[in-house]
Amino acid sequence: NAGVTQTPKFQVLKTGQSMTLQCAQDMNHEYMSWYRQDPGMGLRLIHYSVGAGITDQGEVPNGYNVSRSTTEDFPLRLLSAAPSQTSVYFCASSSTGGYGYTFGSGTRLTVV
Amino acid sequence: RKEVEQDPGPFNVPEGATVAFNCTYSNSASQSFFWYRQDCRKEPKLLMSVYSSGNEDGRFTAQLNRASQYISLLIRDSKLSDSATYLCVVRDNYGQNFVFGPGTRLSVLP
Repeated sequence: NAGVTQTPKFQVLKTGQSMTLQCAQDMNHEYMSWYRQDPGMGLRLIHYSVGAGITDQGEVPNGYNVSRSTTEDFPLRLLSAAPSQTSVYFCASSSTGGYGYTFGSGTRLTVV
Repeated sequence: RKEVEQDPGPFNVPEGATVAFNCTYSNSASQSFFWYRQDCRKEPKLLMSVYSSGNEDGRFTAQLNRASQYISLLIRDSKLSDSATYLCVVRDNYGQNFVFGPGTRLSVLP
């Protein structure tokens, strides 16, 4: 099993560009989330999903969209990139109940 | 008050030392508890789940006190490879939301 796969690993965008960060998991997990982590800071929840077709906002959703058309995939879309969105983005998944998260290896995004 | 609070750190300890991390959480309905470690520029990885009866995995011991809403992690005989940030994580009673503490950085020195 691959676990949680994020692509790309690195990305540089110009201000105003849009892009999609990909996240896929092969563990049949219902719960998926996107976090951002800024230098020296903790993880902040952007959006999450409890199953296909169901998404909700986290702590810092502005400037990001998500969709969940399948159990496996949970892409994160940046609508119009801003320098404030320079960060490391982690996707994570878990089954419901008392289990922990499995994280992807992250996408390092720089907006210039 | 933050939902999950941890020792601010950083902790700098010599090899072989015993180090303890503390964590408190505010939601009394929380059901699941975890310790994660995060190496510099890497993703968080599950270190261990924390059970009410306490649990041990080699040099690592985790304790949970539901009455005090307190979680701890003890690392014995610390190694250089234990250097990382340790995150306390709480999952709510609906099983949907994870809340991460800010983390405590540990540096084990030779």
